[in-house]
Amino acid sequence: AQSVTQLGSHVSVSEGALVLLRCNYSSSVPPYLFWYVQYPNQGLQLLLKYTTGATLVKGINGFEAEFKKSETSFHLTKPSAHMSDAAEYFCAVTTNTDKLIFGTGTRLQVFP
Amino acid sequence: NAGVTQTPKFRILKIGQSMTLQCAQDMNHNYMYWYRQDPGMGLKLIYYSVGAGITDKGEVPNGYNVSRSTTEDFPLRLELAAPSQTSVYFCASSAQGAPYNEQFFGPGTRLTVL
Repeated sequence: AQSVTQLGSHVSVSEGALVLLRCNYSSSVPPYLFWYVQYPNQGLQLLLKYTTGATLVKGINGFEAEFKKSETSFHLTKPSAHMSDAAEYFCAVTTNTDKLIFGTGTRLQVFP
Repeated sequence: NAGVTQTPKFRILKIGQSMTLQCAQDMNHNYMYWYRQDPGMGLKLIYYSVGAGITDKGEVPNGYNVSRSTTEDFPLRLELAAPSQTSVYFCASSAQGAPYNEQFFGPGTRLTVL
């Protein structure tokens, strides 16, 4: 069975600091991985996805994530946090089913 | 394109009442999904559909029913509302199934059962 673990339900950074949100997955077959962002009182929207090919994936709003098979990780990073990045972030995995398995989410706070 | 739309945005139900949460998409997507989101729990799949006339249970289907008579619409029915169904409900759709199933989400329905 596939699963996703997001380490840290809350992460706080200062504006301009590095953002690092952690995601580890478990899968018996090659995974396809996603990061979604949810702003307050809104639905989820896709930040970026890894399917095949290049392991460093760039997404919207300056975010990127690197697929590391040896570490079963897909951590999300952004070099410099902005106040508008405050939101909840979800990692998700799909494999050979028509369903996405979501992590429990990480709430990012950005302080001025 | 309106994308995925959900109605109502908010609803308060009394225990034992029933209601239908509406979901529609205008992207001609075959795949549609219903999730519930509870604090600290992430998203749990309730039901999904891979096309008109085809539905299947997700992780937490008890207390809910769905139908898919058209490609566009995927309503979620609560027959006997219980406090445990207090949650935020999201509908999503995707053009493809696994593994390329990037999902597009609606804005959600916040349901309280008292």
